[in-house]
Amino acid sequence: GENVEQHPSTLSVQEGDSAVIKCTYSDSASNYFPWYKQELGKRPQLIIDIRSNVGEKKDQRIAVTLNKTAKHFSLHITETQPEDSAVYFCAASLGSSNTGKLIFGQGTTLQVKP
Amino acid sequence: DVKVTQSSRYLVKRTGEKVFLECVQDMDHENMFWYRQDPGLGLRLIYFSYDVKMKEKGDIPEGYSVSREKKERFSLILESASTNQTSMYLCASSLFRGRMAFFGQGTRLTVV
Repeated sequence: GENVEQHPSTLSVQEGDSAVIKCTYSDSASNYFPWYKQELGKRPQLIIDIRSNVGEKKDQRIAVTLNKTAKHFSLHITETQPEDSAVYFCAASLGSSNTGKLIFGQGTTLQVKP
Repeated sequence: DVKVTQSSRYLVKRTGEKVFLECVQDMDHENMFWYRQDPGLGLRLIYFSYDVKMKEKGDIPEGYSVSREKKERFSLILESASTNQTSMYLCASSLFRGRMAFFGQGTRLTVV
């Protein structure tokens, strides 16, 4: 079946440094790629998303890039802060259907050290 | 704000019990999902529903069933709970043709 691979599984950075999380997907028909942040004991929440007709999207300190040819997309967090510490999940839509089905990566635990 | 509410935060059940996990959303979303979250495995789709009384299997449906009698409510049923079903269960909803999924707060189920 289709899958999404996410790396690294854990990431530790110093406050103020940048963090990059990478994902690859297998379904060439995927056209929507969201990123979720899950703080300890809380529900996953959407932080940014990108559609296949766009190569890059930014929202303040967060950016996502998409390379459809390589089936690869990445999350970039600049000027990291301790409150960025969380588990981050990437996801890809299953095909181009409108069912809203998403395939999730395995998650990356980001620790930002003060 | 969209609200997706799961009936319990924590549940402890015995092996062989029938378990019901309830999820309610208040935004008239067509799509509803049940995921299971385990360390190192991410979120895996158990079942989803795109309309009342409609359901489709996800990646790991074995041992589970679902019910959607009303648009706002999606129930996950463990017919006979087993210890390997100990996990965090997350419900989510989204608009038809939409992509953004909103999650419930999760139910931590322990089967002993």
